[in-house]
Amino acid sequence: AQSVSQHNHHVILSEAASLELGCNYSYGGTVNLFWYVQYPGQHLQLLLKYFSGDPLVKGIKGFEAEFIKSKFSFNLRKPSVQWSDTAEYFCAVNAGNAGNMLTFGGGTRLMVKP
Amino acid sequence: EPEVTQTPSHQVTQMGQEVILRCVPISNHLYFYWYRQILGQKVEFLVSFYNNEISEKSEIFDDQFSVERPDGSNFTLKIRSTKLEDSAMYFCASSELGQGIDTQYFGPGTRLTVL
Repeated sequence: AQSVSQHNHHVILSEAASLELGCNYSYGGTVNLFWYVQYPGQHLQLLLKYFSGDPLVKGIKGFEAEFIKSKFSFNLRKPSVQWSDTAEYFCAVNAGNAGNMLTFGGGTRLMVKP
Repeated sequence: EPEVTQTPSHQVTQMGQEVILRCVPISNHLYFYWYRQILGQKVEFLVSFYNNEISEKSEIFDDQFSVERPDGSNFTLKIRSTKLEDSAMYFCASSELGQGIDTQYFGPGTRLTVL
């Protein structure tokens, strides 16, 4: 069965610091990859997704993620975080032969100090 | 922007009781999903639904669970006889298509507490 790991459970950064959140998955076939964000009191929202083509994907709010197939990774990055980026971030994977279900990582809580 | 809505936001029930969680997916979406997140654990897939049928379900989705689209707008999850371990946040989602690359749009969740 596929699994998704997010190794950073809690991250605290100061504003303007750079962010990288790790995501690794265990599935050898074709995958579709997603990052969702949940701001305090709000629902899960899509930040970005990858399914083919350029492995560097740009999303909303200045976020980007890089798919590295050889490392089974899809890390999320942002060059300069803002206080408003305080949220929980979830990596999710859809295995190409597993219909349309998403398998989620455990989430990373990001706190950005003003 | 259209959103998935869920009611109630919080449901408290006694063990053994039936609960129905309600969702209104985005209107032009054809695929509907339920996920749950037990406190401190990962978001887990329960079931997907298309054309009035279950298209996929996980091992969690046993005979105690059922889903229904009772009318043109609502999508419900019923838990027949709740157990303590059913306490969780339940998320409904919908997507326009059912392909793996399709974005799933999530509702705000219903927090179910079983006493």
